[in-house]
Amino acid sequence: GAVVSQHPSWVICKSGTSVKIECRSLDFQATTMFWYRQFPKQSLMLMATSNEGSKATYEQGVEKDKFLINHASLTLSTLTVTSAHPEDSSFYICSARDPLAGAYEQYFGPGTRLTVT
Amino acid sequence: DAKTTQPPSMDCAEGRAANLPCNHSTISGNEYVYWYRQIHSQGPQYIIHGLKNNETNEMASLIITEDRKSSTLILPHATLRDTAVYYCIVRVANGQNFVFGPGTRLSVLP
Repeated sequence: GAVVSQHPSWVICKSGTSVKIECRSLDFQATTMFWYRQFPKQSLMLMATSNEGSKATYEQGVEKDKFLINHASLTLSTLTVTSAHPEDSSFYICSARDPLAGAYEQYFGPGTRLTVT
Repeated sequence: DAKTTQPPSMDCAEGRAANLPCNHSTISGNEYVYWYRQIHSQGPQYIIHGLKNNETNEMASLIITEDRKSSTLILPHATLRDTAVYYCIVRVANGQNFVFGPGTRLSVLP
């Protein structure tokens, strides 16, 4: 099946710094990518939807100036957590939609664990 | 997208069939039933999906009731590696994101 990768798989950063997470679709072109966040023992929560070449759409309660999303190509979306704080520590997961696939056309990345100290 | 209801947790003995139920009584005619699972600290993994008919693949079987208000995911011979949180999601085929509920935490016991 289609593969979505994320880099890095884990990152530790100091409070106040920025961290960039990459999401790549490896064998298909993703017109739409989604970013989720998952806190311990909780389910995935959608943060934003990113369409190639346009601005991301953020879910209610997600600060667009803090979580910068760029989807500059059909195979790459990036999430930058700016001025990270300990409460931003979480598991960040992206998924990518293959418009040419069938009804199960969304593929998830392996996740990036962010720890802010 | 329709809401789903799943039991919070289930146990299953290794080698036995694991039957995970899901209620989706408000499902619309054009909404599919998807099952994903998430093993600890990994991204969700697609298992199976269906619209009306029962489906089977190398991982599992999906049984959908005739009125489509509920479904059951069957792992025919559960192994320890099947221990995970299983999510049942209903969504239109070309819908946007998947909305994840709390899922069912399946523990396969030796």
